Amino acid sequence: EAGVAQSPRYKIIEKRQSVAFWCNPISGHATLYWYQQILGQGPKLLIQFQNNGVVDDSQLPKDRFSAERLKGVDSTLKIQPAKLEDSAVYLCASSFGQNDNYGYTFGSGTRLTVV
Amino acid sequence: QKEVEQNSGPLSVPEGAIASLNCTYSDRGSQSFFWYRQYSGKSPELIMSIYSNGDKEDGRFTAQLNKASQYVSLLIRDSQPSDSATYLCAVPSGGGADGLTFGKGTHLIIQP
Repeated sequence: EAGVAQSPRYKIIEKRQSVAFWCNPISGHATLYWYQQILGQGPKLLIQFQNNGVVDDSQLPKDRFSAERLKGVDSTLKIQPAKLEDSAVYLCASSFGQNDNYGYTFGSGTRLTVV
Repeated sequence: QKEVEQNSGPLSVPEGAIASLNCTYSDRGSQSFFWYRQYSGKSPELIMSIYSNGDKEDGRFTAQLNKASQYVSLLIRDSQPSDSATYLCAVPSGGGADGLTFGKGTHLIIQP
């Protein structure tokens, strides 16, 4: 089966600019996650979707970050305006259902550099 | 907020030896535990999961869980240079959702 697709792979922007990332999960996977991984740290969950509804966005900085999954398939994550500390790899993952205790598959990620 | 603690390393192990990676977690209610491997510049990949006290073996990998001590470990037997990577320990974040809380990871170096 095809994996989790993400684009772009790399992005360099200036601070205060906006940026958007796209994710297409594995076909049939209802649950989609966005993680932020800062260099030297483990991934941190930003938001979890179940179909097109938000399950958990408690760690999403809502003053600048937004995410949507309108048709319950692909998703976009947006940052506006970006700050230097947003430099990180943004990882998308998907799983078949909620409470899937077998772990899940990550996409290849988008590396964001804010200068 | 759940916490997962790992020694960041680097942990250097000679080729062919056993590499032992450790992880402690704060929430006694955690029921499942995951080990991910992450090569430099790549995304994490799941290598082991464990849910019950004791050992779980999969090839050269063994996960060990001690819920009383809130401790989970990963043993890699017959270490190979290709095992050089960062190993991330993770537990479900809980609260009705099933995102994962990750540790910072241990950087493992297998010396030929």
